[in-house]
Amino acid sequence: GAVVSQHPSRVICKSGTSVKIECRSLDFQATTMFWYRQFPKKSLMLMATSNEGSKATYEQGVEKDKFLINHASLTLSTLTVTSAHPEDSSFYICSALTSGPNTGELFFGEGSRLTVL
Amino acid sequence: GENVEQHPSTLSVQEGDSAVIKCTYSDSASNYFPWYKQELGKRPQLIIDIRSNVGEKKDQRIAVTLNKTAKHFSLHITETQPEDSAVYFCAASKTSYDKVIFGPGTSLSVIP
Repeated sequence: GAVVSQHPSRVICKSGTSVKIECRSLDFQATTMFWYRQFPKKSLMLMATSNEGSKATYEQGVEKDKFLINHASLTLSTLTVTSAHPEDSSFYICSALTSGPNTGELFFGEGSRLTVL
Repeated sequence: GENVEQHPSTLSVQEGDSAVIKCTYSDSASNYFPWYKQELGKRPQLIIDIRSNVGEKKDQRIAVTLNKTAKHFSLHITETQPEDSAVYFCAASKTSYDKVIFGPGTSLSVIP
């Protein structure tokens, strides 16, 4: 299957700093990527849809100024958590949509565990 | 927007028995229903999916059924094995190219 790589896998930062997480599709081009947040033993909560070359579409309740998403190329989307606070600590996971004549399959990155001190 | 519910939240079965996980969705415009398996500390992986023009789909020990009228869909795992132990998520989407909304998950434990 297709490979999606996410970096960093773990990051610890001080409150008030910004953290950037990268999501790359390694062997395919992804015009659409999705960013999810997952709390321990909980489901994946969709944060935003990232489309290459256009602004991201955020889900209701997700602060766009807090979670900046950029999808500048067909293989890279980034999520920047700005002015992070302890409540932003979570597991962030991206996914990329493959394209094809009949089906689009969603492949997930390894996830990034953010801890804000 | 779409809301996906899933039951049970935890499920424990003896090895060899069957496991059934049920989901409901709210948006009648949803037409694509994937199921994901997430092992501890790992990324979710697609195990099977079904589209609204099909009522049932089977892949070896895994089967999914869909009742579009009732907005219900289910995952059936037969002859369960310890390696089936994981969290299973149902999900719904308008098409396979649209955003995917996940259910809350079912933690399945298969007891040897």
